[in-house]
Amino acid sequence: EAGVVQSPRYKIIEKKQPVAFWCNPISGHNTLYWYRQNLGQGPELLIRYENEEAVDDSQLPKDRFSAERLKGVDSTLKIQPAELGDSAVYLCASSQGGGSKNIQYFGAGTRLSVL
Amino acid sequence: ELKVEQNPLFLSMQEGKNYTIYCNYSTTSDRLYWYRQDPGKSLESLFVLLSNGAVKQEGRLMASLDTKARLSTLHITAAVHDLSATYFCAVAGANSKLTFGKGITLSVRP
Repeated sequence: EAGVVQSPRYKIIEKKQPVAFWCNPISGHNTLYWYRQNLGQGPELLIRYENEEAVDDSQLPKDRFSAERLKGVDSTLKIQPAELGDSAVYLCASSQGGGSKNIQYFGAGTRLSVL
Repeated sequence: ELKVEQNPLFLSMQEGKNYTIYCNYSTTSDRLYWYRQDPGKSLESLFVLLSNGAVKQEGRLMASLDTKARLSTLHITAAVHDLSATYFCAVAGANSKLTFGKGITLSVRP
């Protein structure tokens, strides 16, 4: 079974340009997460979806970041306009939701460099 | 606010020796996860610890949880090169939101 798929793997853009990341979660996983991982740090949650509803977006910088999960499957995360400080790895994860373990499975991430 | 601290942040291990790394957290939680990350790769789930006194073992790694001390340990037995990676612990807080530590980078030398 395929894991969490993200694209692109790498993206280099100039500041003030827009950028978008795409995520396809594990089939059957209702919960989808977007994280940002800065160099030398652990991942930090940006937004969590339960099906198509964003249930926790408190850490998403809403002035420039937006996300959507149409039909409760794939998701896109957009930054417009990008700033130098947005350079990081953007990770998508999914889980089945509920249950005692609720393990999150991560994709390979998109490494963003803003010049 | 839940805070997760890991130590040490970097550990150089000699092949064949035993080591322990630590994860402590600031508020009560019912779930703690250990993940492994290789350079440029994603996070791989290693263990889920759900209760006080829980112990999980996989190969040369053994994780345990003390909820009263808010401490988890990851014990490495007879380190081998394949264990070189960064290990994160993550603690579930309110609404099951995970808070990650900064990670511990393990390097195994011959």
